[in-house]
Amino acid sequence: AQTVTQSQPEMSVQEAETVTLSCTYDTSESNYYLFWYKQPPSRQMILVIRQEAYKQQNATENRFSVNFQKAAKSFSLKISDSQLGDTAMYFCAPLIIQGAQKLVFGQGTRLTINP
Amino acid sequence: DTGVSQDPRHKITKRGQNVTFRCDPISEHNRLYWYRQTLGQGPEFLTYFQNEAQLEKSRLLSDRFSAERPKGSFSTLEIQRTEQGDSAMYLCASSLPRGVTGELFFGEGSRLTVL
Repeated sequence: AQTVTQSQPEMSVQEAETVTLSCTYDTSESNYYLFWYKQPPSRQMILVIRQEAYKQQNATENRFSVNFQKAAKSFSLKISDSQLGDTAMYFCAPLIIQGAQKLVFGQGTRLTINP
Repeated sequence: DTGVSQDPRHKITKRGQNVTFRCDPISEHNRLYWYRQTLGQGPEFLTYFQNEAQLEKSRLLSDRFSAERPKGSFSTLEIQRTEQGDSAMYLCASSLPRGVTGELFFGEGSRLTVL
């Protein structure tokens, strides 16, 4: 079974600041992807960034980047130059390639960007 | 709009009544997932279909819950004899077959309130 821990229930930063959300996970599988999803208030879950576990290079997507430490099973998300529209719940989720390929979500971090 | 659509968006019902939710996935996606999300928590996996076959069910899916995907297109999730503990957001997601991106595309959810 997989477990996901997001140790920061809530975070709050000022607009334009950089913020890092932490995530640790536990899996015995070797072939998996890792995702960060964003869920804005009353809106649908959307993908922020994706990392294949076999890749050593950290994924980046515009202002979003990850720090993937496979041995430590750590997968943090860094948001640079934060914007008001980044306010949302953020969920870390590993996805095992075999079988159902279902996402297992952490409890989330509520991020608020203040003007 | 070619995203995942869910209906109804909101449902208020009295304890003991039956409710049914519908999900229309993205047309070329053969995998379909149902998740349940309670307030302030991450989504929890309920069940998964590949085409019309239901291949995995969580232990969270009690015998009052049934899901179908009769022609491998839309899916329904029925809850019989609803209880107050069933109050949650029910999320549907779809994805392409294995070996592509692994990304799940989510609908906006169906919020159930059981009085």
